[in-house]
Amino acid sequence: DAKTTQPPSMDCAEGRAANLPCNHSTISGNEYVYWYRQIHSQGPQYIIHGLKNNETNEMASLIITEDRKSSTLILPHATLRDTAVYYCIVRPNNNAGNMLTFGGGTRLMVKP
Amino acid sequence: DTGVSQDPRHKITKRGQNVTFRCDPISEHNRLYWYRQTLGQGPEFLTYFQNEAQLEKSRLLSDRFSAERPKGSFSTLEIQRTEQGDSAMYLCASSPRREAYGYTFGSGTRLTVV
Repeated sequence: DAKTTQPPSMDCAEGRAANLPCNHSTISGNEYVYWYRQIHSQGPQYIIHGLKNNETNEMASLIITEDRKSSTLILPHATLRDTAVYYCIVRPNNNAGNMLTFGGGTRLMVKP
Repeated sequence: DTGVSQDPRHKITKRGQNVTFRCDPISEHNRLYWYRQTLGQGPEFLTYFQNEAQLEKSRLLSDRFSAERPKGSFSTLEIQRTEQGDSAMYLCASSPRREAYGYTFGSGTRLTVV
């Protein structure tokens, strides 16, 4: 069972920041927050993950609330190529081999 | 290395036929996963290999499904006596034992059972 709740869809204007929320109120202390995205007709692509500190890489930033019950994925300058379904996943220790459990995700539409 | 490769990209088969899909993971990855995705849904876990050992199977993997990874490198997923409900995208992913960047997924095999 997916342990996360995401809005089914969002729109964002090209060049603006896209802020994708995720609720994970039942997250356990050893569970990480992962984000993947899936562009049409492709397999999911890893974006970022974190435990409790905010994280940033070349693709996005991940902001996790202090109580860890929710997080936000930020695409700072969305482009048309960022149109995809974004999945927020919680998962134990990232070396344990546990499978990813995907929910329905958020369909982000970046508009010109 | 060009990532995770899946073959074929598309497969159309008649109900009742057997089909086999192949996945070539990233060469240094010892973990391999199969997922199934139907239209409008997120991917669903099917099975997981560490090297050649199949360590976990979902209850979605009925007895018509079998997966192998004989030498701990490529993997095959076979579906016997296909049904229309088997129509889906079949995704393969791989990861190293110490994951720094999550799984790497292939582009999938789209199966249509007519």
